[in-house]
Amino acid sequence: EVQMVASGGGLVQPGESLRLSCIASGFTVNINYMHWVRQAPGKGLEWVSVLYSGGGTYYADSVKGRFTISRDDSKNTLYLQMSSLRAEDTAIYYCATVVAAIDGLDVWGQGTMVTVSS
Amino acid sequence: SYVMTQPPSVSMAPGKAASITCEGHNIGGKSVHWYQQKPGQAPVLVMYRDNDRPSGIPERFSGSNSGNTATLTISRVEAGDEADYYCQVWDSSSDHVVFGGGTKLTVL
Repeated sequence: EVQMVASGGGLVQPGESLRLSCIASGFTVNINYMHWVRQAPGKGLEWVSVLYSGGGTYYADSVKGRFTISRDDSKNTLYLQMSSLRAEDTAIYYCATVVAAIDGLDVWGQGTMVTVSS
Repeated sequence: SYVMTQPPSVSMAPGKAASITCEGHNIGGKSVHWYQQKPGQAPVLVMYRDNDRPSGIPERFSGSNSGNTATLTISRVEAGDEADYYCQVWDSSSDHVVFGGGTKLTVL
C-alpha cells in the first residue's frame, strides 16, 4: 500500500527547533519530488518546501533560512528541520508527493501538528 | 509571487451542478490541480493538469482552464461532496507551489 506517515510534531516555545519525519511505504522518497505543506488552524493550505529527486530544494519565503528539507534514502524518510520557530508556524504539517497521477500531489501523509507557544 | 483567488464559499442543492473558480493572471498557461479536503482529513487530489481525473475520482468531477480562470465543476452534487476545495499551480518564475485560498462547498 502506498502511504506516508508523518510524525515529530508537538508543543515548542518560540525560538526552539523541531524535526518532522515522514516515512514512506509502497514507493521510494527519491522519486520525482517530495513536498511539505502546512495548514494553520482554520486556514487554507500553504506550501512550505520541496525536495527534488536530484537534491534541489526550494522554500516558501516565510520559512527560508529557518527550515531545511532533506531525506534519508536508506530509511525511505523525508524530514523537515525547523528552527527559530515562531507562533505563526503553528499548523498541521503534511508531507505530500505524486506517485500515480503524473502531476499534482496524489499521496499525502496524515499530518502532524506543530504548536509554537510560550 | 503568483496569486490565485477563489470564492470563499459556494452553495448548491443536491443533484445540481456546482462550479468553483480559481482566478489568476494568465492561469490558462499553467497546469492547474484541484484538491478536496474534508474536516479533519488530509487533502485529496481530485483533478490534475486542468482536466485529468486521478483513479477513483467520479466522472462527475471535471475541470477546465482558459484565460485568467480555471474551473472545477461537480455535476450532480451529492452530500458527500461537501468540503473545502483548493486550486494549485507551480509558479515557474519563483519555483514555488502556490495554492488558492480555498472554497467551501456547501450542499444545501
